Amino acid sequence: AQKITQTQPGMFVQEKEAVTLDCTYDTSDQSYGLFWYKQPSSGEMIFLIYQGSYDEQNATEGRYSLNFQKARKSANLVISASQLGDSAMYFCAMRVIWSSASKIIFGSGTRLSIRP
Amino acid sequence: NAGVTQTPKFQVLKTGQSMTLQCAQDMNHEYMSWYRQDPGMGLRLIHYSVGAGITDQGEVPNGYNVSRSTTEDFPLRLLSAAPSQTSVYFCASSYSLINEQFFGPGTRLTVL
Repeated sequence: AQKITQTQPGMFVQEKEAVTLDCTYDTSDQSYGLFWYKQPSSGEMIFLIYQGSYDEQNATEGRYSLNFQKARKSANLVISASQLGDSAMYFCAMRVIWSSASKIIFGSGTRLSIRP
Repeated sequence: NAGVTQTPKFQVLKTGQSMTLQCAQDMNHEYMSWYRQDPGMGLRLIHYSVGAGITDQGEVPNGYNVSRSTTEDFPLRLLSAAPSQTSVYFCASSYSLINEQFFGPGTRLTVL
């Protein structure tokens, strides 16, 4: 079965520190994609970063990087130099093939709180 | 570009009522989907569409219908509202499945 697991319901991090948000996935597909989204308290969903299963290099977007370890089926999000505005819910998502179609499923999320 | 728009933003229904949540995008995206987000939880896929005239079920389709007559619009119909359908509903679209999804602002639905 296709599954995304985020084992950290909540995290507290000091401002300016780096933070790693864990995401593990389960799929028998060889071709898949992994996404990270941010949801601030205002409720909107904001795309952060994408990693394809055949991408050889880890994706980076500004302060965000994705630590992709295919053998371990993990796709952790790393935020460098955290800021107060990084406080939000973070969701890991995976594109899967299901019943000859393709859809995206989400993990349960991690609530990140940045301490000043 | 307006992006992905959803109406209404808030809605209160009584058990048994029906209604349609509207979703439209002006980015010519083929892939559209509906999610529900319950308090403290992630998003669960209700229905999705890979193009006009093509829809399929997600993880939690019971009690909901969709149709996709145009590329732009993807309405979600609640057939007979139940308190268990109280949730925030998000519509999303993307150019393809390897591209980011753009989300609408959400509809907060309460069923009494």
